[in-house]
Amino acid sequence: AQKITQTQPGMFVQEKEAVTLDCTYDTSDQSYGLFWYKQPSSGEMIFLIYQGSYDEQNATEGRYSLNFQKARKSANLVISASQLGDSAMYFCAMREDDGSSNTGKLIFGQGTTLQVKP
Amino acid sequence: DGGITQSPKYLFRKEGQNVTLSCEQNLNHDAMYWYRQDPGQGLRLIYYSQIVNDFQKGDIAEGYSVSREKKESFPLTVTSAQKNPTAFYLCASSVWMGVLAGANVLTFGAGSRLTVL
Repeated sequence: AQKITQTQPGMFVQEKEAVTLDCTYDTSDQSYGLFWYKQPSSGEMIFLIYQGSYDEQNATEGRYSLNFQKARKSANLVISASQLGDSAMYFCAMREDDGSSNTGKLIFGQGTTLQVKP
Repeated sequence: DGGITQSPKYLFRKEGQNVTLSCEQNLNHDAMYWYRQDPGQGLRLIYYSQIVNDFQKGDIAEGYSVSREKKESFPLTVTSAQKNPTAFYLCASSVWMGVLAGANVLTFGAGSRLTVL
């Protein structure tokens, strides 16, 4: 069974510094996708970044980058130049393949709460 | 603007009552999903639907029911059989691309918070 593990329940970072949020995954599939979502206190889930298992380059989206280490099965999110608005809960997720068809379902980790200090 | 609308934002229910959470999308997405989130936890899949008039159970479907009569709408009913319904419920949708889904990004609504009194 596929599984996502986020071992950091809470993190603090000083404004303007970089922070890494950890994510490890477990799957026997050769083809899979990894996602990071941000959930502010308002509750809505906001898509940040995607990494495909066959992508050779690490994904980047503005201040977000994904440190993808396939052999270690890790997909850490790096946020550069943290801003106060980055304070939120962050979820790592994996696309779940269901046999011969791709259902589009995502399985989520437990999340990491990030607080940015001024 | 395209997006997903969930209503109501807050809902209170007495024990033994059924309640229905609304989810409407105008993104022309094929697939829709319902997730449940408990405090400090990740999201767990309740039901999902890839096409109209078809849906499948997720990991925690017991005590819930859904319908998909229109592409735009995927309402969730929390029945009295759901023993612990107090939670935050999130609806999502995505373009269905089959086995070539690739970055099948889910777009989420703002959520509905259900409290059982």
